[in-house]
Amino acid sequence: SQKIEQNSEALNIQEGKTATLTCNYTNYSPAYLQWYRQDPGRGPVFLLLIRENEKEKRKERLKVTFDTTLKQSLFHITASQPADSATYLCALEGNTPLVFGKGTRLSVIA
Amino acid sequence: DVKVTQSSRYLVKRTGEKVFLECVQDMDHENMFWYRQDPGLGLRLIYFSYDVKMKEKGDIPEGYSVSREKKERFSLILESASTNQTSMYLCASSPHGTSGNTEAFFGQGTRLTVV
Repeated sequence: SQKIEQNSEALNIQEGKTATLTCNYTNYSPAYLQWYRQDPGRGPVFLLLIRENEKEKRKERLKVTFDTTLKQSLFHITASQPADSATYLCALEGNTPLVFGKGTRLSVIA
Repeated sequence: DVKVTQSSRYLVKRTGEKVFLECVQDMDHENMFWYRQDPGLGLRLIYFSYDVKMKEKGDIPEGYSVSREKKERFSLILESASTNQTSMYLCASSPHGTSGNTEAFFGQGTRLTVV
């Protein structure tokens, strides 16, 4: 069956360090993979989209990689700040529109 | 500023009631979606629509129906609310295009409690 897994339910890191979040998938052949941020009690907000033929994408302190051989995407936040604390969701196209992972709750400790 | 607006942030309904959750977007998007989000289960797709009058079942459509009479409005209907439908409901929209190719814009969510 098709699966999207975000390996860590929660991740705590020190301010200034790089946070790395993982998204693995099985039985999909997605053309695109997206990352969203969700704050408590709010809807997800789009961050980045990466295509299957792109190895890496950057936006300010954010970097996403996409390895279709490993079936994995890595999401990095460099120089992390307490304001980056949130839940981060990966999403990709499956048999139905945008299927989401369960998310990783990131806490950046000052 | 682009917007997806859900009619209520919080809603409390009784078991057996018919419940309407309204969603309006002002971006002229063709695609609209309803998800529910539960702790430990993540976001799950209930129904979606790629055009006016069109609807498709998602992963968990049982107990729900939808209506899309106008492009900007997508309503989720709980025919007879039950306690296991207590959840956060999220509406989203995206421009027409291959699914996954365009970002989705989400509303602020409706936290529904069925008692």
